[in-house]
Amino acid sequence: DAMVIQNPRYQVTQFGKPVTLSCSQTLNHNVMYWYQQKSSQAPKLLFHYYDKDFNNEADTPDNFQSRRPNTSFCFLDIRSPGLGDAAMYLCATSTAGVVGEKLFFGSGTQLSVL
Amino acid sequence: GDSVTQMEGPVTLSEEAFLTINCTYTATGYPSLFWYVQYPGEGLQLLLKATKADDKGSNKGFEATYRKETTSFHLEKGSVQVSDSAVYFCALSGAIIQGAQKLVFGQGTRLTINP
Repeated sequence: DAMVIQNPRYQVTQFGKPVTLSCSQTLNHNVMYWYQQKSSQAPKLLFHYYDKDFNNEADTPDNFQSRRPNTSFCFLDIRSPGLGDAAMYLCATSTAGVVGEKLFFGSGTQLSVL
Repeated sequence: GDSVTQMEGPVTLSEEAFLTINCTYTATGYPSLFWYVQYPGEGLQLLLKATKADDKGSNKGFEATYRKETTSFHLEKGSVQVSDSAVYFCALSGAIIQGAQKLVFGQGTRLTINP
């Protein structure tokens, strides 16, 4: 029944070593989002895809990139993780174009940087 | 820009107590308002929402009313249970931008219910 699936649940990487987090969805939603949530803070939007169109938030560091090869999958790439990138990364989906529609979130990937 | 301010936590209550978590917002126009809940080890899930002034959202015994005059959307529950222990986020969405619903979240309120 899981609708937005994130893998892995926990990811440990080394300082500066590239890492990829993955997200898949069975909802066939047009829009996929990546949020970063640091401990005891609100989720912060990094970027979103509307179909194949990529939309970066203005304050998202260049170190963070994303790929969406098809409707179902979306990846978050961190090119050179720093200690400050340790966080929970949340993937979410929604239908496009309707204010007030809810977002469907995955369970998140907890990233640790050693 | 748009912003959401939530009551600071953590909040600790006994089972069957009355709960209020305050939320106020600043936004241009007429945003939609949401409460999301995050149970331990899980992602966020929508608890309730309201899309226009004076609307009341409700779910699982929780309620919140969209008050435009006070720019508030306070979360209430008459009798909390241990299973309500979670982090609660108030959020607003003002517009669709490039297909996406841009949620602005409050900082979250951690709620612990003791038996």
